[in-house]
Amino acid sequence: DGGITQSPKYLFRKEGQNVTLSCEQNLNHDAMYWYRQDPGQGLRLIYYSQIVNDFQKGDIAEGYSVSREKKESFPLTVTSAQKNPTAFYLCASRRIPGYGYTFGSGTRLTVV
Amino acid sequence: GESVGLHLPTLSVQEGDNSIINCAYSNSASDYFIWYKQESGKGPQFIIDIRSNMDKRQGQRVTVLLNKTVKHLSLQIAATQPGDSAVYFCAEGSFSGGYNKLIFGAGTRLAVHP
Repeated sequence: DGGITQSPKYLFRKEGQNVTLSCEQNLNHDAMYWYRQDPGQGLRLIYYSQIVNDFQKGDIAEGYSVSREKKESFPLTVTSAQKNPTAFYLCASRRIPGYGYTFGSGTRLTVV
Repeated sequence: GESVGLHLPTLSVQEGDNSIINCAYSNSASDYFIWYKQESGKGPQFIIDIRSNMDKRQGQRVTVLLNKTVKHLSLQIAATQPGDSAVYFCAEGSFSGGYNKLIFGAGTRLAVHP
């Protein structure tokens, strides 16, 4: 079955540590996205990529980094510069042209 | 469990009743609208979408209504079931934004009681 796989489901980060969240899709979608979800708020865009080796900052890119070396993969690194990283992170993809986003099941990141 | 639903408006309905969830959108240039359902601890799931050249679109047990004059979107769920309990949120997109920067609402929690 085609879909988006995010891993791990739960991740714990120590203060000052970088962590990487994985996102893989086998839908042959062109665009991929990372969103952050906090309680009581709408999804906020961190980064997105429409083609391999190219990506754009979203509304809250500070403290995060991404790469898009393969069409299927769009990992997100939460760096130590992100002061409040505890959140639910969602990856999504979209075929271009097209409108609908397909979401992964999310990664819950907690700072310990 | 997932805390996404905390601090959100809640709609409580009895099983079998119809539910109406509302959404006010912000960008008058938006031409594409989507409703998502998010269950606890899971990613959002597509329910139904509508383009701005339509006022109404129906799916299985769901109907989306679009009122561009007042920038309002609604999701109607017929014969609500316990499995419909979740957080529902709308999203808007525009051609000018390349549909890359969807704007998501915070959501409404739907609680279905037997």
